[in-house]
Amino acid sequence: NAGVMQNPRHLVRRRGQEARLRCSPMKGHSHVYWYRQLPEEGLKFMVYLQKENIIDESGMPKERFSAEFPKEGPSILRIQQVVRGDSAAYFCASSPYGTGGKSTEAFFGQGTRLTVV
Amino acid sequence: AQSVAQPEDQVNVAEGNPLTVKCTYSVSGNPYLFWYVQYPNRGLQFLLKYITGDNLVKGSYGFEAEFNKSQTSFHLKKPSALVSDSALYFCAVRDMRGNRDDKIIFGKGTRLHILP
Repeated sequence: NAGVMQNPRHLVRRRGQEARLRCSPMKGHSHVYWYRQLPEEGLKFMVYLQKENIIDESGMPKERFSAEFPKEGPSILRIQQVVRGDSAAYFCASSPYGTGGKSTEAFFGQGTRLTVV
Repeated sequence: AQSVAQPEDQVNVAEGNPLTVKCTYSVSGNPYLFWYVQYPNRGLQFLLKYITGDNLVKGSYGFEAEFNKSQTSFHLKKPSALVSDSALYFCAVRDMRGNRDDKIIFGKGTRLHILP
């Protein structure tokens, strides 16, 4: 069972370009999280999705950022018109829909390191 | 809204000594609590979780954590530290309110240095 796959691992974009980050969850997982990590800082929650539905996007910046998790294919985090401040590591995690003592932890990918030049 | 606090930015421990990394949380429902470890330029690895049952939970690499409801704490512990334990440790909480499936929130992390 492959883990959470993120690509690309490293992404360089010029200011004003678009960045697309992809995340394929673990097999059987229907929920995906996106987090941002700045150097020497913790993980900031961005968005929580299930297939074709955004559960919680309270951590997403109001402009330029969007996320989707279509019925088929990976989850995509899209950043339009990138600025230097968007440079960070972006982590995706997946979990099965679970409550009541079942497996509820999230499993993380290796991250995409975005550098805006 | 749920929150989690890790009061120490860094913890230094001599190899062979016991270690503790502190975590406190705040939720409105029942907490699901987690510890993760991150090595340089890597993603987070799951260490252990508390869902229900025994307050002392055991996880990977000899780590354990104690859930204390009255103090709303979930401190990570290990009886004898190894140099290879040096890494960034994150505490996380999920607020389980009824059947609602809520997001997982992470603390800011504690950097653990094990001194040879």
